[in-house]
Amino acid sequence: ELKVEQNPLFLSMQEGKNYTIYCNYSTTSDRLYWYRQDPGKSLESLFVLLSNGAVKQEGRLMASLDTKARLSTLHITAAVHDLSATYFCAVDMNYGGSQGNLIFGKGTKLSVKP
Amino acid sequence: EAGVAQSPRYKIIEKRQSVAFWCNPISGHATLYWYQQILGQGPKLLIQFQNNGVVDDSQLPKDRFSAERLKGVDSTLKIQPAKLEDSAVYLCASSRRREWELFFGEGSRLTVL
Repeated sequence: ELKVEQNPLFLSMQEGKNYTIYCNYSTTSDRLYWYRQDPGKSLESLFVLLSNGAVKQEGRLMASLDTKARLSTLHITAAVHDLSATYFCAVDMNYGGSQGNLIFGKGTKLSVKP
Repeated sequence: EAGVAQSPRYKIIEKRQSVAFWCNPISGHATLYWYQQILGQGPKLLIQFQNNGVVDDSQLPKDRFSAERLKGVDSTLKIQPAKLEDSAVYLCASSRRREWELFFGEGSRLTVL
């Protein structure tokens, strides 16, 4: 059974600081997603990582994937209040077949304070 | 382009009652998914459709949950009878066939009393 573990589950940061969220998964998969969710809102796709060593950056967020270690990281640079949200990583169970059965982590609730 | 539309946004029912949720995917998206998100957890796939057909319903509690996708467009998810543990947000998502990205709707929040 594929398990996806994120840590930390809660993160309180000061503006301007850097931090990393970790996502470990238990079985082989070469497709990993990062989503953002604001309270009461739906999931917004941030990154799709498709291969070992993939690195993608958007603004203050950078995501990477190490398929050998079964680890993805989401790095936050110089955090600002607008980044406050819950961040989920999700791994696709059906890579190579029909995609879309995503196994989600429990999420990391990020709070950025002035 | 219009996003994934869901209704109702909120529903409160008593246990043992029934409820139905509706989803209209993004135009042209052949694949449609229903996910259940319990408070404090990540979403869990309930059922996946490819056009009219069911691709994966292994995690759908079939004794009380049912879903259909008529004509390969809109979909309805029904719960009958509801239990307290069904309180959750039901998220619909869609994707183009053979493309990787899922687009999620805003969800339907169910409270079972």
